[in-house]
Amino acid sequence: QAVLTQPSSLSASPGASASLTCTLRSGIDVASYRIYWYRQKPGSPPQYLLRYKSDSDNLLASGVPSRFSGSKDASANAGILLISGLQSEDEADYYCMIWHSSSSVFGGGTKLTVL
Amino acid sequence: QVQLVQSGAEVKNPGASVKVSCKASGYTFTSYDISWVRRATGQGLEWLGWMNPDSGHTGFAQKFQGRLTMTRDTSITTAYMELSSLTSEDTAVYYCARGTWGTDFWGQGTLVTVTS
Repeated sequence: QAVLTQPSSLSASPGASASLTCTLRSGIDVASYRIYWYRQKPGSPPQYLLRYKSDSDNLLASGVPSRFSGSKDASANAGILLISGLQSEDEADYYCMIWHSSSSVFGGGTKLTVL
Repeated sequence: QVQLVQSGAEVKNPGASVKVSCKASGYTFTSYDISWVRRATGQGLEWLGWMNPDSGHTGFAQKFQGRLTMTRDTSITTAYMELSSLTSEDTAVYYCARGTWGTDFWGQGTLVTVTS
């Protein structure tokens, strides 16, 4: 079982909100981890969006609009990236990442389609 | 402004090695780790490892242990990633990035194609 599991795809309408999940493998407690979120558009390098561990330990990367935010669902052992006011430019692949066992680990990515 | 500029595309035969460079500018090179990440076509991001340019200390993903080397030349603020014993599964775009977590600046990517 992968360390981090993300839905392969998600579709949402312009102006709506999208909630992207990142589920940690059983036995890895989401409460203990900072979760980092990135997005990548075709032909471009990844872009760091934010990190989230708790409401008191989170940081939006420089230049990233405030309509991007992070949270956790402890009951699902998952991290969440919430994007509000979706725009066509938000269409991209989104990845979560944690530092686990002395390595960075990426989720498989979610392709977000805005239509 | 912070920039990471990588070397150009490479085509290699199976079994060969590839060395990709990452020239940093706009910040103090030895103050931030350098990480390497790759993305194969149709696949997701994959973390290879990191290097501290000040000490030279490195850390690698377990699957690359033994065939991955990371070095640096602080005099020219350049980091290097060398991957040996290449197979077709190593065909990917390789990225360097500043930092270990929350990697805020990225190189443009280097396409490495492994083909016979």
